[in-house]
Amino acid sequence: KQEVTQIPAALSVPEGENLVLNCSFTDSAIYNLQWFRQDPGKGLTSLLLIQSSQREQTSGRLNASLDKSSGRSTLYIAASQPGDSATYLCAVNSNSGYALNFGKGTSLLVTP
Amino acid sequence: DTAVSQTPKYLVTQMGNDKSIKCEQNLGHDTMYWYKQDSKKFLKIMFSYNNKELIINETVPNRFSPKSPDKAHLNLHINSLELGDSAVYFCASSQISGNTDTQYFGPGTRLTVL
Repeated sequence: KQEVTQIPAALSVPEGENLVLNCSFTDSAIYNLQWFRQDPGKGLTSLLLIQSSQREQTSGRLNASLDKSSGRSTLYIAASQPGDSATYLCAVNSNSGYALNFGKGTSLLVTP
Repeated sequence: DTAVSQTPKYLVTQMGNDKSIKCEQNLGHDTMYWYKQDSKKFLKIMFSYNNKELIINETVPNRFSPKSPDKAHLNLHINSLELGDSAVYFCASSQISGNTDTQYFGPGTRLTVL
C-alpha cells in the first residue's frame, strides 16, 4: 500500500526566502505526482503535476522535482511571499484514474 | 464558470438523519471522486466513478452510497449519520487520457453531525 510522507509538518520563514518542501512515497511504481495548495477552510488548488516519466515541472516561482527511484519529490518555492502561506499537499497517483494517496501536508507560514 | 461545484457548502444535522451532498463538474471529465478530510486534515479516498461505473470503493461503511446519474454528476448519500461522519467532503474530477490525469477539486462540504 502506497504511503506518502511530508516533511516538515510545519514551516515558518521570513518573506523573500527560498524554501523546499519534501515528499516521500513508499512505492516507486507511480503514474504521476501532484502538488496542491489548501488555504484554511477552502478547497484544494492544483499547483503542479509531474508525470512518472518527467524529472521536474515549473510554474512561476514554483518548481517541483521527482525522483521515482528514490521515492522522493520536492517543491521549491522561490522568493516566498506572505500570500504563499497555506498548507501544501503532495499526492501520488499509482494508476490512471485511480485515487490520489495524500500526505498529511506541510503548513507554511511566510511572515512579512 | 466553476469547474467542480458542491452543494451545500455547510451541512449541520442531527445524528440518525439521512443527508445528501451533490457534486457537478463542467469540465467534461469522465472520472469523479469523493474524498473525506478528517479533523486532522488528512485526505482519504472514498469512491471513484468512471463513466458512471464504480471503480473504487474503499472501506467505507455501507451507510454511504454514491450515485452517478450521468458523467457530470456524482452525489453522495449518507444514511443514519453518526458523530464520526463529521468531516469535510471533497468531490474531484479528472479525465483519463494521455498521461495527465490532473484531479480538480471542489470547494468542499463541511458536515457537522450533532
